[in-house]
Amino acid sequence: GAVVSQHPSRVICKSGTSVKIECRSLDFQATTMFWYRQFPKQSLMLMATSNEGSKATYEQGVEKDKFLINHASLTLSTLTVTSAHPEDSSFYICSASQYGIANQPQHFGDGTRLSIL
Amino acid sequence: DAKTTQPTSMDCAEGRAANLPCNHSTISGNEYVYWYRQIHSQGPQYIIHGLKNNETNEMASLIITEDRKSSTLILPHATLRDTAVYYCIVVGSDSWGKLQFGAGTQVVVTP
Repeated sequence: GAVVSQHPSRVICKSGTSVKIECRSLDFQATTMFWYRQFPKQSLMLMATSNEGSKATYEQGVEKDKFLINHASLTLSTLTVTSAHPEDSSFYICSASQYGIANQPQHFGDGTRLSIL
Repeated sequence: DAKTTQPTSMDCAEGRAANLPCNHSTISGNEYVYWYRQIHSQGPQYIIHGLKNNETNEMASLIITEDRKSSTLILPHATLRDTAVYYCIVVGSDSWGKLQFGAGTQVVVTP
């Protein structure tokens, strides 16, 4: 089946640092990748949609200058949390879709648990 | 995309079929019904999806009513590893396939 790898799985950083999270589709090319955030005991919240070679589309209320998304190749998207603060601590999850169409499922990474001290 | 309504929680006995309902009364003709599940502290896992017809794969069956206003996910023989939060999501054809997760149903399979 389709495999999506996310790295790192866990990161602990000091407040004010920037953190980069990688999302790779290992056995397929992903035209579209998505980034989600999940707080404890809550559901996943879509942050942004990224299409290869284009600027990401952010959901309402998500700061694009805070959460930088790059989707430079068909197998890699990165999320950089800039100047992270404790309130950015969360579970970040990516997903990938081969063609970004409704009739095709997304495949998810195992998430990155970010803790900002 | 149409909203969905699911029960908050369900208990199922190991070895028995688990039937998970979902209401999507405002679904439109070009929207798909998707089911994902999330086991604690992991990324969601795709289960199955459909448009109009019933679907079956190695994991589950999806039964969609004729008016498409509701559907049921069937896990034929529940195991303890099926304990998870199950999400029913409607996906429109003009949305890049993006998913808007609701609260889902917490399914607990007991011995």
